[in-house]
Amino acid sequence: GEDVEQSLFLSVREGDSSVINCTYTDSSSTYLYWYKQEPGAGLQLLTYIFSNMDMKQDQRLTVLLNKKDKHLSLRIADTQTGDSAIYFCAEIETGGFKTIFGAGTRLFVKA
Amino acid sequence: DSGVTQTPKHLITATGQRVTLRCSPRSGDLSVYWYQQSLDQGLQFLIHYYNGEERAKGNILERFSAQQFPDLHSELNLSSLELGDSALYFCASSVVSASSYNEQFFGPGTRLTVL
Repeated sequence: GEDVEQSLFLSVREGDSSVINCTYTDSSSTYLYWYKQEPGAGLQLLTYIFSNMDMKQDQRLTVLLNKKDKHLSLRIADTQTGDSAIYFCAEIETGGFKTIFGAGTRLFVKA
Repeated sequence: DSGVTQTPKHLITATGQRVTLRCSPRSGDLSVYWYQQSLDQGLQFLIHYYNGEERAKGNILERFSAQQFPDLHSELNLSSLELGDSALYFCASSVVSASSYNEQFFGPGTRLTVL
């Protein structure tokens, strides 16, 4: 069945770049999403990419999509302590009714 | 503030009991999704309703049920509760229910503790 996999933890120093990786299985997904969950809060959409794009840039965020390898990544430039959170990769299942989330990558930013 | 409200914020109950979690979607959103987040299972999709009809089921136990009412609010019913049901339960809403851009807006969650 469909699945989304992410590494569970990432630790970086303030000012460095963070790269969070994700692999997915449903190659017909139309959109792929990155959500952010701050402590004690619900998830919030951070950015998304349409499946016919290779890259999307939004200020400090860069999303790269490799459809051949079914690999998605989120790069955060100049990572700040406020970026400490859990980041979820998500895809919409074929047919569009079910969103599948990865387990989430917990990003720790050291000052 | 996402515009999605969930009540209650916290719920503490005993094994074997039944509880109801409530969600009000953003104004204008027809789709409601329920998720369970636990430390060992991550974020699990439970069920999706669109305009009162069930549209998709995920890893939802038979002891759990949900419904969406004509005013579009939704309730998640959890019965015969077990210790392992302790988790954060999120509701999310979105405008559309189709294979297209589908940003989901999440509520703050209900933290359920089963003792």
